[in-house]
Amino acid sequence: GAGVSQSPRYKVAKRGQDVALRCDPISGHVSLFWYQQALGQGPEFLTYFQNEAQLDKSGLPSDRFFAERPEGSVSTLKIQRTQQEDSAVYLCASSFFQTGDQPQHFGDGTRLSIL
Amino acid sequence: SQQGEEDPQALSIQEGENATMNCSYKTSINNLQWYRQNSGRGLVHLILIRSNEREKHSGRLRVTLDTSKKSSSLLITASRAADTASYFCATATFLNTNAGKSTFGDGTTLTVKP
Repeated sequence: GAGVSQSPRYKVAKRGQDVALRCDPISGHVSLFWYQQALGQGPEFLTYFQNEAQLDKSGLPSDRFFAERPEGSVSTLKIQRTQQEDSAVYLCASSFFQTGDQPQHFGDGTRLSIL
Repeated sequence: SQQGEEDPQALSIQEGENATMNCSYKTSINNLQWYRQNSGRGLVHLILIRSNEREKHSGRLRVTLDTSKKSSSLLITASRAADTASYFCATATFLNTNAGKSTFGDGTTLTVKP
């Protein structure tokens, strides 16, 4: 596919379970971003990768959140011991260059519901 | 914690009318981008304007940037029902050469009635 692909599209988990969300960026894109979007709000930055290096994780809400991109392409966002406040849409975006003046290409997100 | 604030929060117009949305931000920026989001989908990039630019056009879209007022506007001319979506501004500040983070506002929800 030509776009950013995220899976699963929907995830329901019980409080306390661990979840893993996957992002396949556009091939060749250096930068990869994760955002969290609550209902009716804009995306909030979580973390940023340049190739396999995680250069900014200042937006991760707690140490229960962990992201990796081991080979510089596919990325996984893991949330351990999920809480109800983790319910949100998690968006992944990629861009071609490492600088900040490139448009970001977004996937359709994973809608996470914690019961 | 959002940098940008869009105004209005919601806008409803008739097809064919123009729609104007505004974005204000707080700190100095390197660029400002506008994105569209249809319900249940990801964001789609519309236009990027750099801090040294004042106006930019793309098809029916016109974006202005006033860095002295820390504000931007997005004008959609001759609106269509398909323009119904949420519109977000995003600002980027390059703290170093590795910076890529954009900060989004909470968006304007536009409804275009046929």
